[in-house]
Amino acid sequence: QSALTQPASVSGSPGQSITISCTGTSSDVGGSNSVSWYQQHPGKAPKLMIYDVSNRPSGVSNRFSGSKSGNTASLTISGLQAEDEADYYCSSYTSTIVIFGGGTKLTVL
Amino acid sequence: EVQLVESGGGLVQPGESLRLSCAASEFTFSHYSMNWVRQAPGKGLEWVSYISSSTSTIYYADSVKGRFTISRDNAKNSLYLQMNSLRGEDTAVYYCAREGYYYDRSGSFVRYWYFDLWGRGTLVTVSS
Repeated sequence: QSALTQPASVSGSPGQSITISCTGTSSDVGGSNSVSWYQQHPGKAPKLMIYDVSNRPSGVSNRFSGSKSGNTASLTISGLQAEDEADYYCSSYTSTIVIFGGGTKLTVL
Repeated sequence: EVQLVESGGGLVQPGESLRLSCAASEFTFSHYSMNWVRQAPGKGLEWVSYISSSTSTIYYADSVKGRFTISRDNAKNSLYLQMNSLRGEDTAVYYCAREGYYYDRSGSFVRYWYFDLWGRGTLVTVSS
């Protein structure tokens, strides 16, 4: 099963907003509301930031939001902060398999 | 503290075996499905295997099917991954990750399809 497609890198200045896209197919992203997003700092474990397309777990800043249109899901981070600099992965599923995007490196300029 | 702690990683030669463990604490382990996810050095996340809370349902990624075996011991709050016939491409940090589920109104099992708790990982290096 192919990985979901994410841009390799995005960047933004503190205070700005950025959006990371995650493109799949009608068999995965487009066919379910089970899209999630994970943040991973270097050398650390992934952390769940968004689940079911647009829901935030307790404790995750409301600066993080998720959406989906067709086969593409998006993660938006508003009011960028230095600590947001990390790798971000989207995830969905097809049949019985969980699939991840290739990851996007966010640089806060 | 609610946490998952992996262990058992190390350096092995191609063709050898290794058994990873994941110890759960401060939550009802038997109420959750569990997964193994790996990350090769400098690469992205790759889902490896899933096991339901009762062990009745198990899935594997094609890349490990027939070589890896997932299991769990709910009495010991532990998850395992037996890895046989290891290859260089299995070199990665292996994470265990918790996944919830529920039963809908018709009684059907519904997976959450997201991982809300991860361990810190254990490094497996396959090299001669």
